[in-house]
Amino acid sequence: DGGITQSPKYLFRKEGQNVTLSCEQNLNHDAMYWYRQDPGQGLRLIYYSQIVNDFQKGDIAEGYSVSREKKESFPLTVTSAQKNPTAFYLCASSTQGNLLGNTIYFGEGSWLTVV
Amino acid sequence: AQSVTQPDIHITVSEGASLELRCNYSYGATPYLFWYVQSPGQGLQLLLKYFSGDTLVQGIKGFEAEFKRSQSSFNLRKPSVHWSDAAEYFCAVGQGYTGGGADGLTFGKGTHLIIQP
Repeated sequence: DGGITQSPKYLFRKEGQNVTLSCEQNLNHDAMYWYRQDPGQGLRLIYYSQIVNDFQKGDIAEGYSVSREKKESFPLTVTSAQKNPTAFYLCASSTQGNLLGNTIYFGEGSWLTVV
Repeated sequence: AQSVTQPDIHITVSEGASLELRCNYSYGATPYLFWYVQSPGQGLQLLLKYFSGDTLVQGIKGFEAEFKRSQSSFNLRKPSVHWSDAAEYFCAVGQGYTGGGADGLTFGKGTHLIIQP
């Protein structure tokens, strides 16, 4: 079945460590996104990528990095510079083209906890 | 900048009763509006979307939403809720494909729906 797969589902990070969250999609979507979700805060955009080898900062990119070497993959690295990384992270994707208002589809999310 | 307000953090409804979740947006041009639902610890599932045309939009699971430009609102409704509807509901606005490409959605902070037996 087509969809967006995030792994791992649960991840624990020690202070000062970098960790990478995986996101893979087989929907043939051009655009991919990373959102962070905190209780009572809704979703906030971290990074997005419209096409391979290109990505843009979202509203809260500080302390995060991404790469887009393949169309189907958009990994997110949470660096030690991110001071409050404990959150639920959601990867998403959408089609591109000349259609306005592309629908964004979400993965099941990854929980990151700093210990 | 675009923004979305969901005025109700929590709503409690009896099973079988009707439901309306409020959403107000702020956006200068024609908005593209979405409602998503999230079960605990899960991703978001699209309920419905409005791009253009008929202002009353039908979605999955018996939900509908009405776009009212004059009130900058996109409220979600369901005539009779089921216990399985208990979840977090998010309204979102997007600007679609600009010259620089799609840049994701702006979400409200969500409304937590509780269903009483």
